[in-house]
Amino acid sequence: EAQVTQNPRYLITVTGKKLTVTCSQNMNHEYMSWYRQDPGLGLRQIYYSMNVEVTDKGDVPEGYKVSRKEKRNFPLILESPSPNQTSLYFCASSSSSGRTTDTQYFGPGTRLTVL
Amino acid sequence: DAKTTQPPSMDCAEGRAANLPCNHSTISGNEYVYWYRQIHSQGPQYIIHGLKNNETNEMASLIITEDRKSSTLILPHATLRDTAVYYCIVRGRITGNQFYFGTGTSLTVIP
Repeated sequence: EAQVTQNPRYLITVTGKKLTVTCSQNMNHEYMSWYRQDPGLGLRQIYYSMNVEVTDKGDVPEGYKVSRKEKRNFPLILESPSPNQTSLYFCASSSSSGRTTDTQYFGPGTRLTVL
Repeated sequence: DAKTTQPPSMDCAEGRAANLPCNHSTISGNEYVYWYRQIHSQGPQYIIHGLKNNETNEMASLIITEDRKSSTLILPHATLRDTAVYYCIVRGRITGNQFYFGTGTSLTVIP
């Protein structure tokens, strides 16, 4: 089954404790992206990747890192999480670099709480 | 980059057509309009997209004005399962790789 998976689905952590949220897709998609969703602010793009070893900032990249060493995986890294990074996070992928009309497929979301 | 404006909420009676408007007055000529929806806190789901012609698929119809400054998503026979937040999106102007979702329209289908 074609899907985007995220782990963990729920995470409670403390300020400053490094964490990684994994994202994996089994559709051989080139494009992958991370979003955060907060009440009243909608979905905001954090980082995106057009292909392996190619990443770029979205609207709200501060406090986050990403890497794209393999095509299927696009982990989101919070080196020193802070309470303002408490949010619902979504990973997405699509089959192109974004220059065509390919649509994005979203993962189920990761709810992160930073105390 | 083109951004969108949508009403924050709408109601629609079950079985009637739901018409969801979106303004994108700064859209450029090669940018597509996409619609996604999000049910509860699940991952957003693709509905439809278009450039300048009207489009229809099994889920919905998309009507884009001739000047492309606005569009309307039409759910022809809304059901309770269509209750969701609907996002109108245009592609990033410079690279085409950024997505601006905004806050969407919360549609409630009423029995």
